[in-house]
Amino acid sequence: GDSVTQMEGPVTLSEEAFLTINCTYTATGYPSLFWYVQYPGEGLQLLLKATKADDKGSNKGFEATYRKETTSFHLEKGSVQVSDSAVYFCALINTNAGKSTFGDGTTLTVKP
Amino acid sequence: EAGVAQSPRYKIIEKRQSVAFWCNPISGHATLYWYQQILGQGPKLLIQFQNNGVVDDSQLPKDRFSAERLKGVDSTLKIQPAKLEDSAVYLCASSRAGGPGNTQYFGPGTRLTVL
Repeated sequence: GDSVTQMEGPVTLSEEAFLTINCTYTATGYPSLFWYVQYPGEGLQLLLKATKADDKGSNKGFEATYRKETTSFHLEKGSVQVSDSAVYFCALINTNAGKSTFGDGTTLTVKP
Repeated sequence: EAGVAQSPRYKIIEKRQSVAFWCNPISGHATLYWYQQILGQGPKLLIQFQNNGVVDDSQLPKDRFSAERLKGVDSTLKIQPAKLEDSAVYLCASSRAGGPGNTQYFGPGTRLTVL
């Protein structure tokens, strides 16, 4: 079946540091890929997405590129802020059945 | 527009009791999802509806879990009888359609504690 593997956390960075959260996937067909974010005390919300190979999703300074050759969708941000502290989830939706699969999440803490 | 609504927000029950959760999706969204999120893990899809028909329920423990979506709008998820391992946050999400590019919008979740 489909699976999503995220780098284990927690990740702690200083403000303005560079962020990378790794995500790799296994899926049949050509899935769409997503990053969701959960801020403290809030629900899951979409951060960015990419629906085909080589697409780059971007939002709020975050970027991720759909790499079919390495089955990866790593999340990056050039300069993190304290307000970026949250749990980040990588996910895919399989084109065959529209079924969603989530990674286990990576907790990011940004210190001033 | 209003978001996905869920109730209750919190529920504490004893094992072997029954519990039900309610979800009201965003107006006009045809697809509705129920997820189980155990602490420290990502959400796991339990069931997916397209209008009032089931698209996928392969990970729903059908001996104790049931879900329905009457009239293709609101949905309820029931557990009977509950087990200790059912302690989790139950998330409801909706999207305009069920295709892979469609964004899912999540509700705040119901935190279930089974004692």
